[in-house]
Amino acid sequence: EPEVTQTPSHQVTQMGQEVILRCVPISNHLYFYWYRQILGQKVEFLVSFYNNEISEKSEIFDDQFSVERPDGSNFTLKIRSTKLEDSAMYFCASSEPTGTNQPQHFGDGTRLSIL
Amino acid sequence: AQKVTQAQTEISVVEKEDVTLDCVYETRDTTYYLFWYKQPPSGELVFLIRRNSFDEQNEISGRYSWNFQKSTSSFNFTITASQVVDSAVYFCALSRDYIQGAQKLVFGQGTRLTINP
Repeated sequence: EPEVTQTPSHQVTQMGQEVILRCVPISNHLYFYWYRQILGQKVEFLVSFYNNEISEKSEIFDDQFSVERPDGSNFTLKIRSTKLEDSAMYFCASSEPTGTNQPQHFGDGTRLSIL
Repeated sequence: AQKVTQAQTEISVVEKEDVTLDCVYETRDTTYYLFWYKQPPSGELVFLIRRNSFDEQNEISGRYSWNFQKSTSSFNFTITASQVVDSAVYFCALSRDYIQGAQKLVFGQGTRLTINP
């Protein structure tokens, strides 16, 4: 069964450094998302992306965050200058283009630790 | 604004017991979608079910069943004859009815379910 893949599984970064989290969505999906989950808390929406532009973003997704689809297969989340509070599990998801409100399929996540 | 409340933070039962996970939601939309996801100890999020607001029929899939009641804004999840492999955190989520475009999921806090042998 096709799946969303995320790399790396764990990223450790010094505060203030830039970090790029990578995702390969399911190949025929056209809607892409990033969510984060601070340890022990709920999953929070960050951003949705379609047709090479952001569809919606949350208050968390400030100027330090950006997303990009650099080629036909990858979808990345960049944090420009990381803060301690960016430590979390980051999930990428994708969904089908057909119909409405198709379920989002999630990757295994990248655990980001800011030191 | 949309909100999902899962009041049960943790539930612990003995294997083979039935268990129900509660989910209450708030939305001003007349049409919307509800979802359940499972997060096993390995950490990934696994899609379980999607239900739209105009379909109030209950759904059963093997040992899993879902009870959607619009009148009480609830979408509860029951596991029958629970097994140790059901141990996970379960999240209920809500989405607006997007006519087109990418959707945003609003998650509840999750319920940690532990099935003891």
